[in-house]
Amino acid sequence: QVQLQESGPGLVQPSQTLSLTCNVSGGTINSGLYYWTWLRQPAGKGLEWIGHIYISGSTTYNPSLESRVTIAIDTSKNQFTLKLTSVTAADTAVYYCARDVVGTAVLQNWGQGTLVTVSS
Amino acid sequence: DIQVTQSPSSLSASVGDRITITCRASQSINRFLNWYQQKPGEAPKVVVYTASTLQSGVPSRFSGSGSGTDFTLTITSLQPEDFATYYCQQTYSTPRTFGQGTKLEI
Repeated sequence: QVQLQESGPGLVQPSQTLSLTCNVSGGTINSGLYYWTWLRQPAGKGLEWIGHIYISGSTTYNPSLESRVTIAIDTSKNQFTLKLTSVTAADTAVYYCARDVVGTAVLQNWGQGTLVTVSS
Repeated sequence: DIQVTQSPSSLSASVGDRITITCRASQSINRFLNWYQQKPGEAPKVVVYTASTLQSGVPSRFSGSGSGTDFTLTITSLQPEDFATYYCQQTYSTPRTFGQGTKLEI
């Protein structure tokens, strides 16, 4: 069973760059069957789709974040990453990585989530 | 972006009850709608996808229906483990937007 695990700093300074990694185990990231996705959820609020990447390297981002987001994939390490620049307190959230099945677009596998706080 | 409006935002029910949650999309999304269950401190889990397909392992008391712009998630005979927050998500186009959530409480 595939497992996803987020990692990265839990505290980021305002105006700096948030960087997270999602490590995929129990399966290969080098598959054309999935999109590899990032989402986030501020405390007590709903879910926001940040964007996803396909094995080809093709990315799609949420227009609300597109100017600040980069998602990349590293097949040699079986992981994908999220970078969000110029962060503010509004970017404080639990960040999730997930696997999205091409065709049905169902987020079938999720990481446990990691809390990132933007504060000085 | 396609807007997804979910209602109600909260719902009180009892074990054994039948409940329905609705989602309405701002334009037709065919059947490209998924439902997720989230418990406190946990990641969401899919319960229904493409409007009416039950995820493997999800009890048959869960069901989804709808197409176009209007969708429902129904849970019959509520069990204690069903009390959670439920989200719908449209996957017709990107960004893949979510409803605001429905908190199902005892």
